[in-house]
Order: sequence, then C-alpha cells, then structure tokens
Amino acid sequence: ILNVEQSPQSLHVQEGDSTNFTCSFPSSNFYALHWYRWETAKSPEALFVMTLNGDEKKKGRISATLNTKEGYSYLYIKGSQPEDSATYLCAFNTDKLIFGTGTRLQVFP
Amino acid sequence: DSGVTQTPKHLITATGQRVTLRCSPRSGDLSVYWYQQSLDQGLQFLIHYYNGEERAKGNILERFSAQQFPDLHSELNLSSLELGDSALYFCASSADWGFTDTQYFGPGTRLTVL
Repeated sequence: ILNVEQSPQSLHVQEGDSTNFTCSFPSSNFYALHWYRWETAKSPEALFVMTLNGDEKKKGRISATLNTKEGYSYLYIKGSQPEDSATYLCAFNTDKLIFGTGTRLQVFP
Repeated sequence: DSGVTQTPKHLITATGQRVTLRCSPRSGDLSVYWYQQSLDQGLQFLIHYYNGEERAKGNILERFSAQQFPDLHSELNLSSLELGDSALYFCASSADWGFTDTQYFGPGTRLTVL
C-alpha cells in the first residue's frame, strides 16, 4: 500500500513568519508529485506539479523542492499572510493521485 | 473558479436509496476523476475516465459505478446507500491522462445519508 505522509499535521504562525512543511512519499516508481492548496469551503487548487529530482518551483511567496531519491518534498511559504491560511495537500502520482492528509496552516494577524 | 461544475451541491437522502452525482469537466479536458472525502479521511481516489473509457480504479465500492458520456460529462452512481457513504464527493478534470497533468477540482457534492 502506497503511503503519502505530511508533517506537521497543523501549524499556527504569525503574519510575516516563514514556514515550511514536508511531504514524504515512496521513492521507488516515482512519476510526479502534486501540491494543492485547499481553503475551507472551497475545492483543492493546484499549486505545483513536480517531476524531476532537484526540481524547484515557485509561485509568488510559495516555493517547493523535490528529492525523489529520498522520497520527500518541501513546501515553503515566505512571509506568511492571513490569506495563506489553508490546508496544503501533496499527492503522489502513480496511475492515480494518492493524497496525503495535509498540513493545516493558520496565519494569525 | 476552476471551470469544473458539479451538481447538485448538496444531497440528503435515506439509507438504501440510489443517487446520481453529475460532473462537467473544463472545456477541452478529456479526463474526469472522482474522489471521496469522508470525515477524518484524506481525499480518496475512486475512478478515472479518459475520453469515455475507464482508465484507473481506486477503492471504489461495488455499489458505486461511474460513466463518462460522449459529451465528456460524467456521472457517479451510488446505490444501496449506507450511513458511511456520507461524504464530500469531488470531481476533477485534466486535459489528458498523464502523470504530470494538473487536475482541476470542482466545488464538490456533499452527500448526507440519514
């Protein structure tokens, strides 16, 4: 059974803090890793799709790195804002997306 | 707005009943995926259709079935409903079926089985 683990489960930070989360996935038979942002009462929104070892992607203040050999990806948020409050999901792609349970981020003003 | 539409938004029904959830993908997308989000569980993949053909299956119960029609919309049929089927059901679509294809999620259908 393929398992995708995310840590921490939840995170509370102050506005302006930088933060990062981890996604761990099986390192064998890697195809792609997806990151999603899921705000309460909305639907998951795609952030990044990562495929190559050493990949780094950036979107505004959010960036992600990928290490396929050791099976992990980091998501970084620089200078967190209250609007960054959401659950951040990673998903490992085999012939289907296997989602982690997410990191719930709350940013306090 | 992702461009993926799902109807209905909410559905309340009784145990033993049958319901149909509908999904229209983004314009031009050929793949449709169905996911279930139960209480305290992550998003669970149910099934994937590409251009009318079933492409991959997750832990979908035998009581559940899906299809994708020639106009590419998809329906998820849930029958002999049980209390445990209460969940948020998402549909997602992507342009193709590749591992790197971004999936765009619809707003979801919240199913409550009483």
